[in-house]
Amino acid sequence: EVQLVESGGGLVQPGGSLRLSCVASGFTFSTYEMNWVRQAPGKGLEWVSYISSSGSTIYYADSVKGRFTISRDNAQNSLYLQMNSLRAEDTAVYYCARGSSSRDWGQGTLVTVSS
Amino acid sequence: EIVLTQSPATLSLSPGERATLSCRASQSVSSYLAWYQQKPGRAPRLLIYDASNRATGIPARFSGSGSGTDFTLTISSLEPEDFAVYYCQQRSNWPRTFGQGTKVEIK
Repeated sequence: EVQLVESGGGLVQPGGSLRLSCVASGFTFSTYEMNWVRQAPGKGLEWVSYISSSGSTIYYADSVKGRFTISRDNAQNSLYLQMNSLRAEDTAVYYCARGSSSRDWGQGTLVTVSS
Repeated sequence: EIVLTQSPATLSLSPGERATLSCRASQSVSSYLAWYQQKPGRAPRLLIYDASNRATGIPARFSGSGSGTDFTLTISSLEPEDFAVYYCQQRSNWPRTFGQGTKVEIK
């Protein structure tokens, strides 16, 4: 069974940093592209970032470019999102999702940016 | 950036009725369009990928069609568990984009 488990969310002040993790199991992690997608409270889905299976190709949404960094450790079956210079508008549930069509999703981790 | 426009915003139907949801892209996405279902407090679930392919375990009452700029998700006969919000997403261009969602509610 495919499992994606996110962690690392919490309350952070504007300008602060957080590192989200997503631990994968039930499939060969190193062969899959991965995405981060977020959802602000009461709002729709917003794609955040993509990383290829090897980590060699990366894309970001304009809203996070220069502030967020996606990475992965295939030996640890883990995906990461380093979030710096956080803003109130980054408040959202952050999901990791497997594959180019996001066929499997984690349960999400809530990030709240507030003073 | 490709903008996806979903319509209607809300669809009020009864169980057993047919639901037709639309997703229109601001430029061609070929067949690289997916549909997701989301229930309150839950992660999205992939229903359809590449416009017309049902994901694993998705009931046959869900079907997708279209190509280019116009896409449709059809639920042939609504079951009680189908009342939810539905999103389309394109994977043709970067950045990936989602539609704003269609809520299917019980009439």
